[in-house]
Amino acid sequence: EDQVTQSPEALRLQEGESSSLNCSYTVSGLRGLFWYRQDPGKGPEFLFTLYSAGEEKEKERLKATLTKKESFLHITAPKPEDSATYLCAVLYGGATNKLIFGTGTLLAVQP
Amino acid sequence: GAVVSQHPSRVICKSGTSVKIECRSLDFQATTMFWYRQFPKKSLMLMATSNEGSKATYEQGVEKDKFLINHASLTLSTLTVTSAHPEDSSFYICSAREGRGVSNQPQHFGDGTRLSIL
Repeated sequence: EDQVTQSPEALRLQEGESSSLNCSYTVSGLRGLFWYRQDPGKGPEFLFTLYSAGEEKEKERLKATLTKKESFLHITAPKPEDSATYLCAVLYGGATNKLIFGTGTLLAVQP
Repeated sequence: GAVVSQHPSRVICKSGTSVKIECRSLDFQATTMFWYRQFPKKSLMLMATSNEGSKATYEQGVEKDKFLINHASLTLSTLTVTSAHPEDSSFYICSAREGRGVSNQPQHFGDGTRLSIL
């Protein structure tokens, strides 16, 4: 079954404590993996797109990587404003635009 | 760039009322827009794909007569929840994407509409 799984469900970090979020997927024909950030009561905010294994993208304290089975979102020296739910979504298969979302990781960064 | 505006942000209304939600792409043309529903502490569930100038494609289990979608221009899609009932209360989010047909471009999301039916 095509599936996207994120772990951990929730993560609490101290400010400055680096860590990684995981998104594993079991789909055939990956066409793109997307990372989003969602704040409470808001829509997801686009962060990165990764298209092929070995690809990496960086933006400020965030770095996303992709292998053939999973993606990691590395957060370096996080700040309280990085607190949010991080969602990954997968686009796969042939003639479809349908994204499959993971259930997200709720990140809390304490000062 | 890639800004999507969604209105209203919050609606509270009585059971039986029809509610219209607008989704606009402000700085790009969106031939394809998507409507999602999100339950508390759950991920996004795709309801339908809206294609400019043609009928929307609904996901299995989504009532097309209950959730009417219109995508009349390259920058505007609307979702109308007809005769809404308390079970329709939810967080509805739209997204828009550049590129025609099947595309690998990312979707950009609006800020959602919190719908509460009394």
